[in-house]
Amino acid sequence: DGGITQSPKYLFRKEGQNVTLSCEQNLNHDAMYWYRQDPGQGLRLIYYSQIVNDFQKGDIAEGYSVSREKKESFPLTVTSAQKNPTAFYLCASTSDRARPLHFGNGTRLTVT
Amino acid sequence: GEDVEQSLFLSVREGDSSVINCTYTDSSSTYLYWYKQEPGAGLQLLTYIFSNMDMKQDQRLTVLLNKKDKHLSLRIADTQTGDSAIYFCAESFTGGGNKLTFGTGTQLKVEL
Repeated sequence: DGGITQSPKYLFRKEGQNVTLSCEQNLNHDAMYWYRQDPGQGLRLIYYSQIVNDFQKGDIAEGYSVSREKKESFPLTVTSAQKNPTAFYLCASTSDRARPLHFGNGTRLTVT
Repeated sequence: GEDVEQSLFLSVREGDSSVINCTYTDSSSTYLYWYKQEPGAGLQLLTYIFSNMDMKQDQRLTVLLNKKDKHLSLRIADTQTGDSAIYFCAESFTGGGNKLTFGTGTQLKVEL
């Protein structure tokens, strides 16, 4: 079945460590997105990529980095510079601008 | 800038209709979406409406769009306990690269 796979589902890290969240899709979608979700807030866009080897900052990119070396993969690194990294992270993709986003099941990151 | 607002909570009895409301500010919205999120999961697309439409019906779901008031609603007929979830409205807009702006989400609780 086609879909978006985020791994791991739960991730625990110590403060000061970088951590990378995986997002893989087999939908042949060109565009991929990372959102952050905090309780009582909507989703906020971190980074997005509309084509391989290109990506743009979203609304809250500080403290995060991404790469898009392959069409299927869009990993997100949460760096030690991110002041409040504990959150639920959602990856999404779409085939083009006129189509809805499809979401993965998310990774819950806890930093202590 | 874009802003999407929703009420935080809604409680209904099983079998009644639920109406979840959303207001948005960007008059250049192209598509408006409704997503459902169950606990610990990603977002599932329920339905979407193009901004030149007034209404869309899909089985138990009815979406109404009032462009003049920038008001979007989702009506769920014959609400079931399985409909308990958080519902997000989201808008995309011209030139936005399909970046969605999400509301804060409405927690729907269905009581027996």
